[in-house]
Amino acid sequence: GESVGLHLPTLSVQEGDNSIINCAYSNSASDYFIWYKQESGKGPQFIIDIRSNMDKRQGQRVTVLLNKTVKHLSLQIAATQPGDSAVYFCAEYSPSTGTASKLTFGTGTRLQVTL
Amino acid sequence: DSGVTQTPKHLITATGQRVTLRCSPRSGDLSVYWYQQSLDQGLQFLIQYYNGEERAKGNILERFSAQQFPDLHSELNLSSLELGDSALYFCASSVSTASYEQYFGPGTRLTVT
Repeated sequence: GESVGLHLPTLSVQEGDNSIINCAYSNSASDYFIWYKQESGKGPQFIIDIRSNMDKRQGQRVTVLLNKTVKHLSLQIAATQPGDSAVYFCAEYSPSTGTASKLTFGTGTRLQVTL
Repeated sequence: DSGVTQTPKHLITATGQRVTLRCSPRSGDLSVYWYQQSLDQGLQFLIQYYNGEERAKGNILERFSAQQFPDLHSELNLSSLELGDSALYFCASSVSTASYEQYFGPGTRLTVT
């Protein structure tokens, strides 16, 4: 299975440049915001998360920024590599009734890395 | 490799038919989630099971049902299939019942003709 058929916005970036993928969310009550990466033929893969009381979190080559004022989330990828080519989804996590979890995914952005 | 397995990888069937999709979670994970990924709806949460019990329901149609067995594998049953049910169906698993760090399987591509 792959997501190549999805009608998604596309970000084209040259290898070595930095990528910024943006996401708008809707639920102010979400506890966590998460980025997933979906490569062609694979299921989504967890990349990084940020708690709602933070505004920045860094991982390996990735940084997530959270702006709660405008309900905006971004994923920055440093020194983008061909292996970063994928569809990136932001997701909101809102626990329901305290015993179950629910992830709500955004529509996704396709990142194309050009050589 | 996430450790989550799904079978079959591809499934082609006719309208009105019934199919069963199977998922085995990562070793040690008690929660199983089902998602549908279609062209116009993106990735939609369908249902979650934890240790054999249903824990959360999303946008799952009444024609669809799921269960989790004592060995923790799960099956998603889709009946009276319609053309619009054509999609990728993903299973994910996590250790606990309340976790956003979910591990996704490779998916089953269902084509209804």
